[in-house]
Amino acid sequence: EAQVTQNPRYLITVTGKKLTVTCSQNMNHEYMSWYRQDPGLGLRQIYYSMNVEVTDKGDVPEGYKVSRKEKRNFPLILESPSPNQTSLYFCASSLSGVNTEAFFGQGTRLTVV
Amino acid sequence: QQQVKQSPQSLIVQKGGIPIINCAYENTAFDYFPWYQQFPGKGPALLIAIRPDVSEKKEGRFTISFNKSAKQFSLHIMDSQPGDSATYFCASHSDTGRRALTFGSGTRLQVQP
Repeated sequence: EAQVTQNPRYLITVTGKKLTVTCSQNMNHEYMSWYRQDPGLGLRQIYYSMNVEVTDKGDVPEGYKVSRKEKRNFPLILESPSPNQTSLYFCASSLSGVNTEAFFGQGTRLTVV
Repeated sequence: QQQVKQSPQSLIVQKGGIPIINCAYENTAFDYFPWYQQFPGKGPALLIAIRPDVSEKKEGRFTISFNKSAKQFSLHIMDSQPGDSATYFCASHSDTGRRALTFGSGTRLQVQP
């Protein structure tokens, strides 16, 4: 089954404690993104990757890092989480990023206290 | 800076009604306009999409109307059903630059039996 898998689904952490949210896709897609979803703001892109070892900032990259060492994996790293990073996070992948369907993971609800 | 404005924020209709959700964009470089449907606890999933060379696209009960000169597009749901109750996001996409999806703020639709 074609899918994007995120882990964990739910996470509560304390300010400053480094965390990683994993994302894996099994569709051999080149383009992967991280989005955060906040009420009234829709989904905003945090970081994206056009291929292995090619990553760049999206609209709201502050406080986040990513890596793309393998085509299927695109982890999101919060080195020092703060309460304003409390949000619902989605990983997405698409074949090329050019006018093609984006497939989303189930989401990770993060709370930073 | 929101480049895609979506309205209304929420919508309640009776079963069989025709909810209409509107979006307006600013960036003339956008060339792909998808709608995503999101159920609670799930990631967004592509519902229907249109390119600017056509003014209307139908897939089942879902229709996109597109007005290039006004930079507006809308989603119509014919014969709406309680199972259509979800949050709907319009999005715009350009195949240049980041190739990111720019999302509207979302519309929460409730179809009452």
